[in-house]
Amino acid sequence: ETGVTQTPRHLVMGMTNKKSLKCEQHLGHNAMYWYKQSAKKPLELMFVYSLEERVENNSVPSRFSPECPNSSHLFLHLHTLQPEDSALYLCASSQDRSLGYEQFFGPGTRLTVL
Amino acid sequence: GQQLNQSPQSMFIQEGEDVSMNCTSSSIFNTWLWYKQDPGEGPVLLIALYKAGELTSNGRLTAQFGITRKDSFLNISASIPSDVGIYFCAGQLHGGSQGNLIFGKGTKLSVKP
Repeated sequence: ETGVTQTPRHLVMGMTNKKSLKCEQHLGHNAMYWYKQSAKKPLELMFVYSLEERVENNSVPSRFSPECPNSSHLFLHLHTLQPEDSALYLCASSQDRSLGYEQFFGPGTRLTVL
Repeated sequence: GQQLNQSPQSMFIQEGEDVSMNCTSSSIFNTWLWYKQDPGEGPVLLIALYKAGELTSNGRLTAQFGITRKDSFLNISASIPSDVGIYFCAGQLHGGSQGNLIFGKGTKLSVKP
């Protein structure tokens, strides 16, 4: 596997379910990101991890809980979501969190909340 | 929050035509990136720009970092059907949160029927 991978690619869940999204990067990068992409809106940054430490949480509701067990893996745990949380969730990584480092994206998980 | 104004929102192309799109902001950026996203996939990095005035090419794609550091454009020459998709500009703010990207809303490229 190369680049940034995400599983599952598609997920349908009810509002009372608990599920997790997984991201893995094979690039040796130190920073990882979760984004939400909704129709007709710019990509919204949710969380940033640098060297496995959460460095940014952009006012994301607590029903989204990230976890970064090591620099290659990032999870997004989902619990009691709402239908408006349906979106494409993208993971990205960069060599470093500093200015000037390009971010590379995974293919995304298309989430539908019923 | 900060926004990038990306235009046009959508455009139709005929094979062989040149395409141009741009992003502007009221803020100064240190880095401009251009991504392309195909349906059901994540954005793929096309070109990265790091200096004001920089002009960079990647095959038929050419992008420039505006001299004021507040804008960037992307040109596609001699378009082909596989160019269809959504193109996003993204920038890293001067003095902003380290490394965080601000994204435009995208330019959707479609083929003329």
